[in-house]
Amino acid sequence: RKEVEQDPGPFNVPEGATVAFNCTYSNSASQSFFWYRQDCRKEPKLLMSVYSSGNEDGRFTAQLNRASQYISLLIRDSKLSDSATYLCVVMVISGGYNKLIFGAGTRLAVHP
Amino acid sequence: EPEVTQTPSHQVTQMGQEVILRCVPISNHLYFYWYRQILGQKVEFLVSFYNNEISEKSEIFDDQFSVERPDGSNFTLKIRSTKLEDSAMYFCASSEDLGHGYTFGSGTRLTVV
Repeated sequence: RKEVEQDPGPFNVPEGATVAFNCTYSNSASQSFFWYRQDCRKEPKLLMSVYSSGNEDGRFTAQLNRASQYISLLIRDSKLSDSATYLCVVMVISGGYNKLIFGAGTRLAVHP
Repeated sequence: EPEVTQTPSHQVTQMGQEVILRCVPISNHLYFYWYRQILGQKVEFLVSFYNNEISEKSEIFDDQFSVERPDGSNFTLKIRSTKLEDSAMYFCASSEDLGHGYTFGSGTRLTVV
């Protein structure tokens, strides 16, 4: 089983659409959770951290369900500039050290 | 906004040669990392570095790889005797503290021919 699993997409949506991405993780010791965005051949950029209480940043809403080891990202009112690959990322912390484990990403293409 | 800086942006090397990839992490960050991404694949952890020593490394990070922080600002990844399968994008990252999201550099694209 993959450590972090995402639907690869692509999701092709018109501008203004609402789109939801899902992610599951297998390591119950995962302690921090993030969504990163990656444009083609660029570095991953932190979009937002994810908390059990849910958090919102403008058009973006992220949610974590620890019991089912499930993470989601909702994008409202999609813009052309939202086209990118969205990476679900978990952080495992042990022995005072940490590392990020990346999903393979979900591609989003927003069209006019 | 503070940045992680990586040089060079693109390196082409012949198989068997040694390469050094350079990174300047954000100045007040304490934790440093190298990740790689083979074209079309996911981002993979290579190594983490804290307090001037390796804290964790992956199976990928075998004896051909080494990291160093030679001075107060640079953080380097050395690959000895490169192989074709080392061709990838190598990302350096740093974080201020455990549990914080990382800031990634723009990457070095390594092509081994």
